[in-house]
Amino acid sequence: QKEVEQNSGPLSVPEGAIASLNCTYSDRGSQSFFWYRQYSGKSPELIMFIYSNGDKEDGRFTAQLNKASQYVSLLIRDSQPSDSATYLCAVIRVSSGDKLTFGTGTRLAVRP
Amino acid sequence: EAGVAQSPRYKIIEKRQSVAFWCNPISGHATLYWYQQILGQGPKLLIQFQNNGVVDDSQLPKDRFSAERLKGVDSTLKIQPAKLEDSAVYLCASSLDRGFTDTQYFGPGTRLTVL
Repeated sequence: QKEVEQNSGPLSVPEGAIASLNCTYSDRGSQSFFWYRQYSGKSPELIMFIYSNGDKEDGRFTAQLNKASQYVSLLIRDSQPSDSATYLCAVIRVSSGDKLTFGTGTRLAVRP
Repeated sequence: EAGVAQSPRYKIIEKRQSVAFWCNPISGHATLYWYQQILGQGPKLLIQFQNNGVVDDSQLPKDRFSAERLKGVDSTLKIQPAKLEDSAVYLCASSLDRGFTDTQYFGPGTRLTVL
């Protein structure tokens, strides 16, 4: 079982819709959860992080964490073509210090 | 505030040759990371420095890869000799300190092609 799993996609949504990206993790000791966006040929950039159960909102982005079910999700409201990118989920596990473990990413395509 | 700088941006070498990458982290950032990102995969940590000491190098192929961070600022990652499977983007990242909420900021990466 992979430590961090994501559906590779592509996830295709129409402009203006809500895009829902999901991530599951295997280690219950995972402590912090990060969402990075990576445009093709570019480096990852942080969107947001979450470490408490529940929702965390930042503009059009909402991260949701459910530690009991071991999943974290990212919702993008009012999706724009400029949101088309690969979204990487990453976790920090207490057992591995502060090392980030990344999933393989989900490719999002927002069609105009 | 300047971001993480890396050079070169692209490198093409033949297998068995050696190559070196350079990284300059954000000023004041104590922690520096080198990641390898193979096409279609997420970044994989190779080595983590705290100031000029190694925190984690458990996934660094030490028979061919080496890294150093002299004076706790700039860092170099070297591959010698390179193999075909080393073709990837090498990302350097830095964070202010270690901690489970410390944000890692990534540099633009070096795209390595091994022929």
